[in-house]
Formats: sequence, C-alpha cells, structure tokens
Amino acid sequence: DSGVTQTPKHLITATGQRVTLRCSPRSGDLSVYWYQQSLDQGLQFLIQYYNGEERAKGNILERFSAQQFPDLHSELNLSSLELGDSALYFCASSVAPGSGAQETQYFGPGTRLLVL
Amino acid sequence: GENVEQHPSTLSVQEGDSAVIKCTYSDSASNYFPWYKQELGKGPQLIIDIRSNVGEKKDQRIAVTLNKTAKHFSLHITETQPEDSAVYFCAARGRLGNQFYFGTGTSLTVIP
Repeated sequence: DSGVTQTPKHLITATGQRVTLRCSPRSGDLSVYWYQQSLDQGLQFLIQYYNGEERAKGNILERFSAQQFPDLHSELNLSSLELGDSALYFCASSVAPGSGAQETQYFGPGTRLLVL
Repeated sequence: GENVEQHPSTLSVQEGDSAVIKCTYSDSASNYFPWYKQELGKGPQLIIDIRSNVGEKKDQRIAVTLNKTAKHFSLHITETQPEDSAVYFCAARGRLGNQFYFGTGTSLTVIP
C-alpha cells in the first residue's frame, strides 16, 4: 500500500458526460501528479500540482482540468467524454518536486474509466 | 520533451535465471531514473531508482545501471522468482517540474 488513495475505483459513463476523479496524497506529500494509462499510449503524464499551484503540464486535453485543494487532495475533471478517454487514471504524490528523496513518486491504485 | 524507449516488450525466463530490461532516453538533462513494477489491477510500485551521479545501484536481487554518455539504463533481476512476474516500467524525469516520462513497459513472465 503506497498511502495514496483514489476514488472511485471504477467508473462507467456515457459519451458527452463529465466525471470527477479524486486523489488523496500520502501524508506529508505536497505534490500530486496525474497520469493516464491506456493500451495504445502507455503511461502519459497529464499534470502536476505542488501545494495548490499548477507546476507542470503534460499531454492534458483542454476538456480535462485538475486542481489541488488546501487540504492537498486533488481532483481531475474530465468533460465531454469520448470513447477514447477510456483508460486507467493514476494519481501519484511526492514530498516535493525537488531533488533527492523528495522527488520519489508513489502511485495510487488508479481509477478505471470506461466510456460507453 | 523527453522520449523513453524500452525493450523488450515481453520477456519470459525460467525461474532462477536473470532478466534484463533496457531503456534509452533522449534528454541529456534528465537526472533521475526510477523503475516501477505493476501487477495486474494495481498501480505502479517503485522498486529501485538511480540518479545521474551514480553508475550503478543494487538492492538485493535487483540492480540498475546507468550510462549517461550513451543515455541508457538497465534493470537487472537475478535469481528470478514467479512473484517477479509483472509489467516493469522505466522512467526518466523531465526538465520541468517533476513529471516522469515512462517507457512502454516490459511484461515479464517467470516460468516455474
């Protein structure tokens, strides 16, 4: 158990809908990362937050957005869902985005999203 | 951005044999290289990592080597056991923030 929690574990929805995925980082970790894992694209970095502020952005679609709240939990919002958005979405956390041991990322169990 | 390539995509070994997975990266500024193990239905789990100021790191049956000049790094698992069967991912940290760029994964099967 990494200490990172994600809810829900599974999500089934229809095209055009909007969903919210939730992540709670490990105790003491200030940085949260979101990744998408699909069969054809592998593990892709989406976005990173550090202490409530966006830190880095990867291949995140404009239909997707995220935020990190004062209690450090994070939410990933996916809207206007398409069939191709079906994937595993992972959250990871680290102490800080700096160097040394603080950079180690610990992954949650993921949310499996199925868009029908 | 960073581009990480990983080989092989599948690997089968007999129990007790060694397994080697290789990765290359493109950005010479990358300085941190973790390896993750992912079992079915679970999130990636960090098994070992190496920083660019070190050429080799070992943890029991697992070792990682890094060649900065050639921009490649490898995972070595010795005395493999059936419970080592999983998908293994290499990664390199990007220039900005702390995001990781992952390889495409290696599905390792250890045959009893």
